[in-house]
Amino acid sequence: DAGVIQSPRHEVTEMGQEVTLRCKPISGHDYLFWYRQTMMRGLELLIYFNNNVPIDDSGMPEDRFSAKMPNASFSTLKIQPSEPRDSAVYFCASSSTGLGDTGELFFGEGSRLTVL
Amino acid sequence: AQRVTQPEKLLSVFKGAPVELKCNYSYSGSPELFWYVQYSRQRLQLLLRHISRESIKGFTADLNKGETSFHLKKPFAQEEDSAMYYCALLDTGRRALTFGSGTRLQVQP
Repeated sequence: DAGVIQSPRHEVTEMGQEVTLRCKPISGHDYLFWYRQTMMRGLELLIYFNNNVPIDDSGMPEDRFSAKMPNASFSTLKIQPSEPRDSAVYFCASSSTGLGDTGELFFGEGSRLTVL
Repeated sequence: AQRVTQPEKLLSVFKGAPVELKCNYSYSGSPELFWYVQYSRQRLQLLLRHISRESIKGFTADLNKGETSFHLKKPFAQEEDSAMYYCALLDTGRRALTFGSGTRLQVQP
């Protein structure tokens, strides 16, 4: 397995544009997480899904952010409209049957977003 | 609400020196804590978990419930230990990990 796959790896856009980040979790994992990493705040949980259903989106900063998981092998995180303060590295991670047994999340390589 | 605090953004030591990366937490339940590491140009990955009481790459971490701490320690730092380290707490209710803000460890030759 190639692990969690994220695209794009890098995205530079202008303020006001729509941004879509994509994630393919590890096959068989039924939990998918979106995190945002910044220098000031470190890793913040934005939202997570279990069996394609959003479970907790309390970390989503505002209505400009939305996430979907239409099937077990694909998820998107969309920002519309984007703002400079959204600049960060966005990580997708997946795990199997929750985290209680091992606590192990498998992370993608991240999508580095720069909003000018 | 649960919280994980890593007070140091940067820790710089010389090769061979002892290392202690601090982590404090607040959580109302029985905590499950982890350390994750991100080496340069690599993915964030699990380093160790308190429940396993294991030593990975010479690192250990002891859960101290009295001090609500889970500091990561290594007696003799190596240059290859240079990385970003995150302490994480499992929120069993949310079934998700809450991470601290991270500490960058620099081991100088």
